[in-house]
Amino acid sequence: DQQVKQNSPSLSVQEGRISILNCDYTNSMFDYFLWYKKYPAEGPTFLISISSIKDKNEDGRFTVFLNKSAKHLSLHIVPSQPGDSAVYFCAARIQKLTFGTGTRLTIIP
Amino acid sequence: DAGITQSPRYKITETGRQVTLMCHQTWSHSYMFWYRQDLGHGLRLIYYSAAADITDKGEVPDGYVVSRSKTENFPLTLESATRSQTSVYFCASSPNGLETQYFGPGTRLLVL
Repeated sequence: DQQVKQNSPSLSVQEGRISILNCDYTNSMFDYFLWYKKYPAEGPTFLISISSIKDKNEDGRFTVFLNKSAKHLSLHIVPSQPGDSAVYFCAARIQKLTFGTGTRLTIIP
Repeated sequence: DAGITQSPRYKITETGRQVTLMCHQTWSHSYMFWYRQDLGHGLRLIYYSAAADITDKGEVPDGYVVSRSKTENFPLTLESATRSQTSVYFCASSPNGLETQYFGPGTRLLVL
């Protein structure tokens, strides 16, 4: 019973273009959503978050959008850079975090 | 060094053996967590602790034991390792459980 889903295991984007990573959830009680980035042989690092009372949060090249009616979360990276190549996990919170399965983003120079 | 560390980084063991994975943080964060990462499952919570001497089960606790006698340490023990426990294990900490979690570098465990 996967409450948080990332349906695209991988995504390739040209350098300089926009990367859009998607995440769907099933539990309307989630009150906070986060994106983590993970490089090989390292632990996940926090990227950006959004409260359920907002629909958008921006931090530099990273923007997270929340569509509560669709139970959908997306992360936009623009412009994409080679250093953005990593695995991205979305996570949703009701007291504890529930993580998605991850999307491997590859930025093509 | 400041931050959150895990040891060992790599471990090979045999079925039935007891294994302890260590986690240490220097931030004095109240909350600490153990996750395992497996292909197709993402990160799944094993156990967490809200403070010293307070622990609670996560999504996949079976076969694991935790303790937290000191705020800075949160060891995870596999009492009798099984092949299904082959995974990458991540420890994390958080100031109050509601804030961002900070992850350690992970321990890659292989159970033969």
